[in-house]
Amino acid sequence: DIQMTQSPSFVSASIGDKVTITCRASQGISNYLAWYQQRPGKAPNLLIYAASTSQSGVPSRFSGSGSGTDFTLTISSLQPEDFATYFCQQANSLPSITFGQGTRLEIK
Amino acid sequence: EVQLLESGGDLVQPGGSLRLSCAASGFSFSSHAMSWVRQAPGKGLEWVSGISGSDGTTYYADSVKGRFTISRDNSKNMLYLQMNSLRAEDTAVYYCAKDLFAARGHWYFDLWGRGTLVIVSS
Repeated sequence: DIQMTQSPSFVSASIGDKVTITCRASQGISNYLAWYQQRPGKAPNLLIYAASTSQSGVPSRFSGSGSGTDFTLTISSLQPEDFATYFCQQANSLPSITFGQGTRLEIK
Repeated sequence: EVQLLESGGDLVQPGGSLRLSCAASGFSFSSHAMSWVRQAPGKGLEWVSGISGSDGTTYYADSVKGRFTISRDNSKNMLYLQMNSLRAEDTAVYYCAKDLFAARGHWYFDLWGRGTLVIVSS
C-alpha cells in the first residue's frame, strides 16, 4: 500500500497568515492527489484534485502543487472558516486508495 | 437537490452483520463510481470500498476484503455496503462518497453524505 504522510500534524496560526501543509507519498503517484477540508462533525469537502486543480466553488486562497511524491496545500491568507482539519488522499493505486493522517489547523 | 443520505448504522455485537444504504439524488447516479469511506472516532479517514458506475467492478481495502461487499442498484439510485464478521475496529462513521467525474472512476470524492455510525461492541 502507498502510505501518505502529512506534516505538520498540528499547526497554530492567525487570521491572515499564510499556511503550507505538506503530504509525502511512499512511492510516486504522478499527480493523483486530492486535498480535503473537514470541519468538526461534518463530512469532508473536496478542495483540490489532480494535485493542483481547484474544485468548483473553492476560494482562490487555497492552492495545491506537487507531483511524484511531494505535494503541498497552501492557504494564502487564513480566514476564520479555514480552521479545520485537512487531509490529503492519493488516487493512483487501486484498490488501495489512502489518506494522510490529517493536519489540524487551529487559531493561535 | 444533489445529495447522499446514508442509513443503517447501529450497535452490533462482534461477529455480527449490518447492511448500510446510501440514497443518491440530484445527479446521474449510474454514471459515477461510488465509494464508502469510514472514520473511527477522533481518527482519520479510511477508504473502505468502491464500485465503478459503468460495469460494477468492485474494489476493497485489505482491512475489509472478504468481510464486506459493496453493491449498487442504479434503477433505485442506491448504494449498499453489506458488512459481515464485524470487529471492534470496524467502529466508525461510514460515509458514502461520489466520484468527481462520470465514466471511469477517478476516485476523487466531491459529494459526501452526512455519515452513519456503526458501533461494534458487546
